[in-house]
Amino acid sequence: EAGVTQFPSHSVIEKGQTVTLRCDPISGHDNLYWYRRVMGKEIKFLLHFVKESKQDESGMPNNRFLAERTGGTYSTLKVQPAELEDSGVYFCASSVRGSYGYTFGSGTRLTVV
Amino acid sequence: SQQGEEDPQALSIQEGENATMNCSYKTSINNLQWYRQNSGRGLVHLILIRSNEREKHSGRLRVTLDTSKKSSSLLITASRAADTASYFCATDEGGTSYGKLTFGQGTILTVHP
Repeated sequence: EAGVTQFPSHSVIEKGQTVTLRCDPISGHDNLYWYRRVMGKEIKFLLHFVKESKQDESGMPNNRFLAERTGGTYSTLKVQPAELEDSGVYFCASSVRGSYGYTFGSGTRLTVV
Repeated sequence: SQQGEEDPQALSIQEGENATMNCSYKTSINNLQWYRQNSGRGLVHLILIRSNEREKHSGRLRVTLDTSKKSSSLLITASRAADTASYFCATDEGGTSYGKLTFGQGTILTVHP
């Protein structure tokens, strides 16, 4: 079984540019989550999809962040425009509905310069 | 202390020794999970302990949970160099917060050969 896949693994962009991160969950996993870890801080929840619907987006920092999961398969997280404080590692995780077992991807390391 | 705070922040031991990491949290939980992150890699789920459980074992891992003290510990017995990684505890409150894990800042474990 393929795991959770994230693209790209690294991204370096200039302040003010746009970046789109992608997450491919495990096939059949209805739940998809985004988390991020900024330098020196703990890993923080961003949002939770159940299929294509946003179940909880309470962790999204501001309206520069837009997450989508069209068709309930892969998800994208767009940052527009990117700011320096957006630098960090963005993790995606997925799980089967009703399960508390979450599988995380390897993360995307975003650096905004 | 913050939700899911680990102690110690860093731990350095010799191969064969046991490693103990502690985690404290603030709110009521449905379960508590431990994750490992090797340098530059994703989070790997190690073990989940439910709020009605007090101890759980998985191979060389032993997790305890004390809900009265809102604390948990992870014991790795007979450590190996390959155990070198960052270890995180994460709490899941369940209910309407299902899937919204709250992580601590982690313990960096170094096992010397």
